[in-house]
Amino acid sequence: AQSVTQPDIHITVSEGASLELRCNYSYGATPYLFWYVQSPGQGLQLLLKYFSGDTLVQGIKGFEAEFKRSQSSFNLRKPSVHWSDAAEYFCAVGAYQAGTALIFGKGTTLSVSS
Amino acid sequence: SQTIHQWPATLVQPVGSPLSLECTVEGTSNPNLYWYRQAAGRGLQLLFYSVGIGQISSEVPQNLSASRPQDRQFILSSKKLLLSDSGFYLCAWSPGIGNSPLHFGNGTRLTVT
Repeated sequence: AQSVTQPDIHITVSEGASLELRCNYSYGATPYLFWYVQSPGQGLQLLLKYFSGDTLVQGIKGFEAEFKRSQSSFNLRKPSVHWSDAAEYFCAVGAYQAGTALIFGKGTTLSVSS
Repeated sequence: SQTIHQWPATLVQPVGSPLSLECTVEGTSNPNLYWYRQAAGRGLQLLFYSVGIGQISSEVPQNLSASRPQDRQFILSSKKLLLSDSGFYLCAWSPGIGNSPLHFGNGTRLTVT
């Protein structure tokens, strides 16, 4: 069965430091991978997506993610974190077939310290 | 451009009362529609999805139901709420093709008392 694991429940990073949020997936076919961000009490906003091609994808707000098939990973990175990046981050995997919903990890809460 | 509206934003209901949450999408036709529930520390749980009017797929058996009476309207209902139904409910849509990402509404915070 498909699944997504985000090993870190909560991460604290100093403002200006680099960030890496981990995501591992289990999927039988070629996955389509996404990262979303959620501010408290809000819906989810798409940060970036991977469908095929270049394994390093760029997203909004200075985020990037790298797809590593051999490790079944899709880790999210940012070189310099800003206080406004504090939020909850979700990794998700999807299927190619129309109508198949995304499967989400349980999320990683990012706190930014000054 | 496409927009998704979800209401109400917050709702407090007693146990045993009915529920109706509504979601509409504008600016697109024949979207795939989804209801997710988010509980603290448990990520997003897919409840229902729909690829067309009257077509509902249920992912988790429970006392909730969904309906799609119009192309861009998706309703989440319950006849009798349980305490365990409390949570944050998110509606989402995607274009009715392949691998497009989901676009989420702002959610409804439901508290069952």
